[in-house]
Amino acid sequence: GAGVSQSPSNKVTEKGKDVELRCDPISGHTALYWYRQSLGQGLEFLIYFQGNSAPDKSGLPSDRFSAERTGGSVSTLTIQRTQQEDSAVYLCASSDEGQPQETQYFGPGTRLLVL
Amino acid sequence: GDSVTQMEGPVTLSEEAFLTINCTYTATGYPSLFWYVQYPGEGLQLLLKATKADDKGSNKGFEATYRKETTSFHLEKGSVQVSDSAVYFCALSEKGSQGNLIFGKGTKLSVKP
Repeated sequence: GAGVSQSPSNKVTEKGKDVELRCDPISGHTALYWYRQSLGQGLEFLIYFQGNSAPDKSGLPSDRFSAERTGGSVSTLTIQRTQQEDSAVYLCASSDEGQPQETQYFGPGTRLLVL
Repeated sequence: GDSVTQMEGPVTLSEEAFLTINCTYTATGYPSLFWYVQYPGEGLQLLLKATKADDKGSNKGFEATYRKETTSFHLEKGSVQVSDSAVYFCALSEKGSQGNLIFGKGTKLSVKP
């Protein structure tokens, strides 16, 4: 079946511009996660959605980052006023119910470059 | 806070060599432990996992045993292949959490023919 998909696969933007990154999780998965993979910081958790509950935003690095999940499916991560340190690969993952022992299925990522 | 420490790479081995990638963790409770792998040009995927102490995860000839007494989850393979060349990430998910993963820095493995 279809896995997790993300778009765009690559994004180049200028410092100060806003960007939107999209994630389509596996159908039926109630839990959705965003992570960031960068050379300096490795893989970091950003935000978590579970069903219709309020998201866990504890990993967001600044208030320039926000995310939403519409209809319990597609999610959009928005970065406002991008900075060069935002350059990274942004990964989305989904799992069945968001339990700690579950496997997370990752998308291919969006590679963001801020000039 | 919770953390994962894994051996730094890169690791370069000849085909059929024995592989060990060390991973230790710090957690307040009893986490689930994972190894994820990222092959060149591909996304992150689960290699194996263990959800309680003394469990052994295995897949594709790789094994790792959840050792609570040493807080470790070392990855091993008896005979590596060129196709095993990838970046390997050790990760944990704390019991009672929402399942967000805490990753180690990753270990790049290159296997030469």
